[in-house]
Amino acid sequence: KQEVTQIPAALSVPEGENLVLNCSFTDSAIYNLQWFRQDPGKGLTSLLLIQSSQREQTSGRLNASLDKSSGRSTLYIAASQPGDSATYLCAVEPSSNFGNEKLTFGTGTRLTIIP
Amino acid sequence: DTGVSQNPRHKITKRGQNVTFRCDPISEHNRLYWYRQTLGQGPEFLTYFQNEAQLEKSRLLSDRFSAERPKGSFSTLEIQRTEQGDSAMYLCASSRDSYGYTFGSGTRLTVV
Repeated sequence: KQEVTQIPAALSVPEGENLVLNCSFTDSAIYNLQWFRQDPGKGLTSLLLIQSSQREQTSGRLNASLDKSSGRSTLYIAASQPGDSATYLCAVEPSSNFGNEKLTFGTGTRLTIIP
Repeated sequence: DTGVSQNPRHKITKRGQNVTFRCDPISEHNRLYWYRQTLGQGPEFLTYFQNEAQLEKSRLLSDRFSAERPKGSFSTLEIQRTEQGDSAMYLCASSRDSYGYTFGSGTRLTVV
């Protein structure tokens, strides 16, 4: 059974700093990995999707990397801003296996950017 | 296309009542998922449709829960005889095959 772990559970950093969020998964047979952002009481907003054949994806100040063999992904946020404060969730989808196409989520990292 | 739409946004119900939630996916997406999220946890998978076929149901989905997706379009999730433990955020997502998931804003259920 796939298990996804995110460390740390909470992180506070001063505005302007660069930071890294970590995600690890136990089964390396994944099809893709997706990072989401969730504001309090809201739904999930997709940030980056990395296919299993890719090593990284970038969008603006965000960069996500994937090391499938070691079961790790990182989300790098450059020049953090107070608006980045949210919970960040990573989720993995297993390699194609009919009827098993669904995401398994970590419990998230709650990020607070201090102005 | 404005993304995945969920209604209602909030629902407060008395224990024992039935509730129904609706999800309208992105029109060209063939897959539709329901997840449940409790405070401080990541979303947990409930069920999944490919077009109108319900392909998988989690063990979390007791016999009080039923989901439908008639004609492969919108979906409904019904909870019968609600219990306080059903209080959670219910999230719907859609995807075109496995090319990334788009989530709705969720329906927050409170059972009193």
